[in-house]
Amino acid sequence: NAGVTQTPKFRILKIGQSMTLQCTQDMNHNYMYWYRQDPGMGLKLIYYSVGAGITDKGEVPNGYNVSRSTTEDFPLRLELAAPSQTSVYFCASSTQVMGRKQETQYFGPGTRLLVL
Amino acid sequence: KNEVEQSPQNLTAQEGEFITINCSYSVGISALHWLQQHPGGGIVSLFMLSSGKKKHGRLIATINIQEKHSSLHITASHPRDSAVYICANGTGETSGSRLTFGEGTQLTVNP
Repeated sequence: NAGVTQTPKFRILKIGQSMTLQCTQDMNHNYMYWYRQDPGMGLKLIYYSVGAGITDKGEVPNGYNVSRSTTEDFPLRLELAAPSQTSVYFCASSTQVMGRKQETQYFGPGTRLLVL
Repeated sequence: KNEVEQSPQNLTAQEGEFITINCSYSVGISALHWLQQHPGGGIVSLFMLSSGKKKHGRLIATINIQEKHSSLHITASHPRDSAVYICANGTGETSGSRLTFGEGTQLTVNP
């Protein structure tokens, strides 16, 4: 199992450019999440998905879009990059066990994004 | 509002010392998570607990539901324990629900 993989590892964007951060998991998890981590701040949830075809906003969704066409993939789209989106982005996934309210989240290695 | 506060923000210890990191939260939980972020940036889950205590190797996590407080202890600390330790509060009623994260505690263990 590769677990959760993210590409690219690092990217520099110019203001106004667009890009897609890729996230794939091979654990057949139905829950997937996108977080951003700014220096000195806690992780913030951008979007999450509870299964293919179902997505919902998190705490900081503005400027981002997501889709979930398959169980494995959960790409994050930035349409018009802004300097405020300079951050490290983490994708995570978790499974669902009947009767349990919380499950361990497995994180990808992160994508470092710099918007200039 | 669900808030998670960790203390201390930074902690420096000598190898072999017993270490405690504290986490307080404001909203009742489904589970409390402890995670470790390596110097290279990767994040791994250490514990998920909703009551009592869990132990894995030299790491021990405890939680007091009534006081809304959790602690992470490291016994016989080692330089390889140097990392950021993150507490997160899961409050949803369904599995896989959203987490609110603390800002992390930067731990440095000197040889």
